[in-house]
Amino acid sequence: DIQMTQSPSSLSASVGDRVSITCQAGQDIRKSLNWYQQKPGKAPKVLIYDASNLETDVPPRFSGRGSGTDFTLIINGLQPEDIATYYCQQFDDLPITFGQGTRLEIK
Amino acid sequence: EVQLVESGGGLVQPGGSLRLSCEASGFNFRDYVMTWVRQAPGKGLEWVSVISGSALSTYHADSVKGRFSISRDNSKNTVYLQMNKLKVEDTAVYYCAKDALSNAGRLRGYYFDYWGQGSLVTVSS
Repeated sequence: DIQMTQSPSSLSASVGDRVSITCQAGQDIRKSLNWYQQKPGKAPKVLIYDASNLETDVPPRFSGRGSGTDFTLIINGLQPEDIATYYCQQFDDLPITFGQGTRLEIK
Repeated sequence: EVQLVESGGGLVQPGGSLRLSCEASGFNFRDYVMTWVRQAPGKGLEWVSVISGSALSTYHADSVKGRFSISRDNSKNTVYLQMNKLKVEDTAVYYCAKDALSNAGRLRGYYFDYWGQGSLVTVSS
């Protein structure tokens, strides 16, 4: 199984900050990496697919980069509604695996 | 509008069985890989099972292999998760999810563009 390791596990930042969350794959997964946002009590929602493609209707303050084993989700200009847990997910091989999540809080 | 509506969750004793259903609407159901993902209370997301659009191919996580079975009825636009020999550690919210790519031709899919609201399964004596 491909292990996905996210860091940090939790993060506190101020409104307007630039926030970065990293995800490292246990082996080369090319660009087969997606990012999801999950708010409490809700289903996850895709933000970024194929490492760097912004899903329709997702605000452009969200972006993704990386390939191979190292990936980053960036939020440029944190907003209060971005309070959530963020997950990376690889689809390079079965079984699909998720990172353990990063809980984002507002200072 | 795409909708996925899960049902069938509830309280069951260890060793018992339960079948979850996920009824889909708003898209050509038979063209899409469908997946079950679960989330234990306060924990992260865990991928569980996947089924091809034709229902000819399935794959399960090692944690449920031999106990869970995924199936679908394309005439009813519904995907199922039959859960047998349930364990306390199977307690979770179970989500069905639709793959973004039609006629993907591969079980690993692409990304999950729509999710159901989740169905809570509690395994406890």
